[in-house]
Amino acid sequence: GAVVSQHPSWVICKSGTSVKIECRSLDFQATTMFWYRQFPKQSLMLMATSNEGSKATYEQGVEKDKFLINHASLTLSTLTVTSAHPEDSSFYICSATHGTEGETQYFGPGTRLLVL
Amino acid sequence: AQSVAQPEDQVNVAEGNPLTVKCTYSVSGNPYLFWYVQYPNRGLQFLLKYITGDNLVKGSYGFEAEFNKSQTSFHLKKPSALVSDSALYFCAVKEAAGNKLTFGGGTRVLVKP
Repeated sequence: GAVVSQHPSWVICKSGTSVKIECRSLDFQATTMFWYRQFPKQSLMLMATSNEGSKATYEQGVEKDKFLINHASLTLSTLTVTSAHPEDSSFYICSATHGTEGETQYFGPGTRLLVL
Repeated sequence: AQSVAQPEDQVNVAEGNPLTVKCTYSVSGNPYLFWYVQYPNRGLQFLLKYITGDNLVKGSYGFEAEFNKSQTSFHLKKPSALVSDSALYFCAVKEAAGNKLTFGGGTRVLVKP
């Protein structure tokens, strides 16, 4: 149980285009989902926290107009990188907390984004 | 503010030997502590957590960790390491009342045959 998926697993796009990444909880309802960014050989940096049906809470320094987060249902959250630039290239990982075990975050497999 | 320190960037150990990955934390109030493992180009896999109760916590794949309140530590241990344990290990902490998880910088474990 507590499986989280992400799609796509990797994406290459041209500079200036937008990319959408999906995060799904497959076997549980996720009241809260989190989006992280990880640079090579570095730790995870929390970008934002999203709760179903409400606006995401962004961490300081994260541009909310650039990284659009939508948490439309209890099993799906999306991250859209708008007008992507090469510096947005990174590994994006989502996580979700299980409703009955809210303290543990279960992570998706990650999405590698390369912006040319 | 909460923080986590993993003092070792890399730990090398021979297969069959004990493995220890160190972690210290700082948090207001009671800590919730976690260990995750990450394999190349993959997300994080949950290993174990400490919330309350017994200070020695047993988790997946034979790993365990000991919560030490006086030393504010939560070291990860495995009695006999396997080559397949080679990966990146992250310690994380959150305050009991919050939902924000703070990660340490990660420790790369290399188990040699």
